Amino acid sequence: AQTVTQSQPEMSVQEAETVTLSCTYDTSESDYYLFWYKQPPSRQMILVIRQEAYKQQNATENRFSVNFQKAAKSFSLKISDSQLGDAAMYFCAYRSYTGFQKLVFGTGTRLLVSP
Amino acid sequence: NAGVTQTPKFQVLKTGQSMTLQCAQDMNHEYMSWYRQDPGMGLRLIHYSVGAGITDQGEVPNGYNVSRSTTEDFPLRLLSAAPSQTSVYFCASSGTVIEFEAFFGQGTRLTVV
Repeated sequence: AQTVTQSQPEMSVQEAETVTLSCTYDTSESDYYLFWYKQPPSRQMILVIRQEAYKQQNATENRFSVNFQKAAKSFSLKISDSQLGDAAMYFCAYRSYTGFQKLVFGTGTRLLVSP
Repeated sequence: NAGVTQTPKFQVLKTGQSMTLQCAQDMNHEYMSWYRQDPGMGLRLIHYSVGAGITDQGEVPNGYNVSRSTTEDFPLRLLSAAPSQTSVYFCASSGTVIEFEAFFGQGTRLTVV
C-alpha cells in the first residue's frame, strides 16, 4: 500500500518570503500522480499543483512550484512571495495511474503567514 | 457551475441514529469517492465508485454504506452512528484517467454525541 508522509505539522513564513513544505511517499509503482491541495478555513479542498511521475520537469503554477525527486520519492512544495491568503492547511496526495478515485493523503502541514 | 454539492454542511446525531450524507455532481464524472478527515490524520478513503452500480471499499469502510444508482449521486449512509464517526466528510469526483483532477465538495461536519 502507498503511504504519504508530511513531517512538518506546522510552518511559518513572513509575507513576501519563500517557504518549502516537505512530502515523501512510498510506492512500488512507476506511474502515478502527485498533488498538493490547499485547505483554507472555509474547509474547501483546492488543488494547488499536480505532477505526473513520468514527467521529469517540475510543475509550476504561478508562485507555486514543486521539487519532484522520483528516485528519492520526495515531492516538496515551494511557495514564493508568500501572501496572507496562503495561510491554510496543505495536503500532499498520491494517486496511482490506475487508481482512479483513490487518493492517499498525508497528514497535512499548517502554514502560518505573518505580515 | 455547481460542481460537487454535499448536503448537509453540518449535522449533529445521537449515538445509534442513522442518516444519509448526500453528494451530487453535475460534471458527468465516472468516479466518485467519500473521505473522512480527522485531526492529525489527513483524509482517508471510505468508499468509492467507478460508475453507476459499481462501488468498493476504501481504507476505513466499517460503519458506512454506499450505493450508486445514477452517475450524478453517491450518498453515504451511516446505519448506526457512533462517536468515532465524528469527523468531517468530503465527497469527491473525477473524470477519466486523463482528467485526473479530483473535485471536492465543501464537506459535512458531523458530530455524534
